[in-house]
Amino acid sequence: GIQVEQSPPDLILQEGANSTLRCNFSDSVNNLQWFHQNPWGQLINLFYIPSGTKQNGRLSATTVATERYSLLYISSSQTTDSGVYFCAGVNTGNQFYFGTGTSLTVIP
Amino acid sequence: NAGVTQTPKFQVLKTGQSMTLQCAQDMNHNSMYWYRQDPGMGLRLIYYSASEGTTDKGEVPNGYNVSRLNKREFSLRLESAAPSQTSVYFCASTPGIYGYTFGSGTRLTVV
Repeated sequence: GIQVEQSPPDLILQEGANSTLRCNFSDSVNNLQWFHQNPWGQLINLFYIPSGTKQNGRLSATTVATERYSLLYISSSQTTDSGVYFCAGVNTGNQFYFGTGTSLTVIP
Repeated sequence: NAGVTQTPKFQVLKTGQSMTLQCAQDMNHNSMYWYRQDPGMGLRLIYYSASEGTTDKGEVPNGYNVSRLNKREFSLRLESAAPSQTSVYFCASTPGIYGYTFGSGTRLTVV
């Protein structure tokens, strides 16, 4: 399977700060997604981004497929951004491989 | 509300007991998945069903069985629960290659 490394593992931010989360893949992927798990455990799909850049409000993501990494940018962070951010990728078939996540805490 | 419904939300089993985790989606999605999440780890795929009538093993299928009862429902069965199966279980569905929708999870403890 694919190895997925996420960094940093933990991040503490003051409200209003910006951050960049990184995801590296051991092999090329043709389907890459970012997810947010809130403190109550609910998982939300943020982006489908196999390549290029997408933006959704204060969040944006960039994937450089040729170099097998993806970045998630959070601008003007809010306490509601707290939780764990996962990236996941597929190279063949239907099996997503998830990273171990970046745990984000935003302090008011 | 449209989405993925999992039952039960919490369960405690004794070693050797069996149980079935239920999952239903009302979005007419083709593909459904069962994942487990252990502390400090990402999600690992147990089984998936790309379409009604088909099921395939994922990364960690041992000790589990699944049934895709119809397009809406995908159940996960533990025939003889073991402490190593203590975990949080998530069901998910997707219409295609993106747009995952997850259920709220089942927290299972095996003692």
